[in-house]
Amino acid sequence: EAQVTQNPRYLITVTGKKLTVTCSQNMNHEYMSWYRQDPGLGLRQIYYSMNVEVTDKGDVPEGYKVSRKEKRNFPLILESPSPNQTSLYFCASRGEARTAEAFFGQGTRLTVV
Amino acid sequence: SQQGEEDPQALSIQEGENATMNCSYKTSINNLQWYRQNSGRGLVHLILIRSNEREKHSGRLRVTLDTSKKSSSLLITASRAADTASYFCATEGGSNYKLTFGKGTLLTVNP
Repeated sequence: EAQVTQNPRYLITVTGKKLTVTCSQNMNHEYMSWYRQDPGLGLRQIYYSMNVEVTDKGDVPEGYKVSRKEKRNFPLILESPSPNQTSLYFCASRGEARTAEAFFGQGTRLTVV
Repeated sequence: SQQGEEDPQALSIQEGENATMNCSYKTSINNLQWYRQNSGRGLVHLILIRSNEREKHSGRLRVTLDTSKKSSSLLITASRAADTASYFCATEGGSNYKLTFGKGTLLTVNP
């Protein structure tokens, strides 16, 4: 089954404790991205990657890092999480970038206290 | 920056009625897509319309695109309680192929 898998689904952590949210897709897609969703603000892109070893900032990259060492994986790293990074995070992948639909993971609800 | 803006923000209808949601955007696009999100879950792609298309159908969904007005509409016919969800438009354009989402319309279909 074609899917994007995120882990964990839920995470509560403390300010400053480094964490990684994993994302994996099994569709051989080149384009992957991370979004955060906040009430009243919709979905905003954090980072995206057009292929292995090619990543770039989205609209709200501050406080986040990503890596793309393999085509299937695109982890989101929060080196020093802060309460304003409490949000619902989604990973998405797309095939032929210009015309393709996006496949979304089920989301990671992160709370930073 | 937000590209698409959906209207209305919330819509409540009875089962069997049609639901229409609108999306406006600001810059030129390659395509416009509609997604559905059940509460707190991942978005699911519904339909994509390219900039050179004016109308597209998929089952009970009808999407129109007016590039001169920079607007799109999503019509769901004969709505069902299971259609209750948030609906987002997303525009794709520019050199980085980014999908930019609006804030969504919350549709409630009452049985």
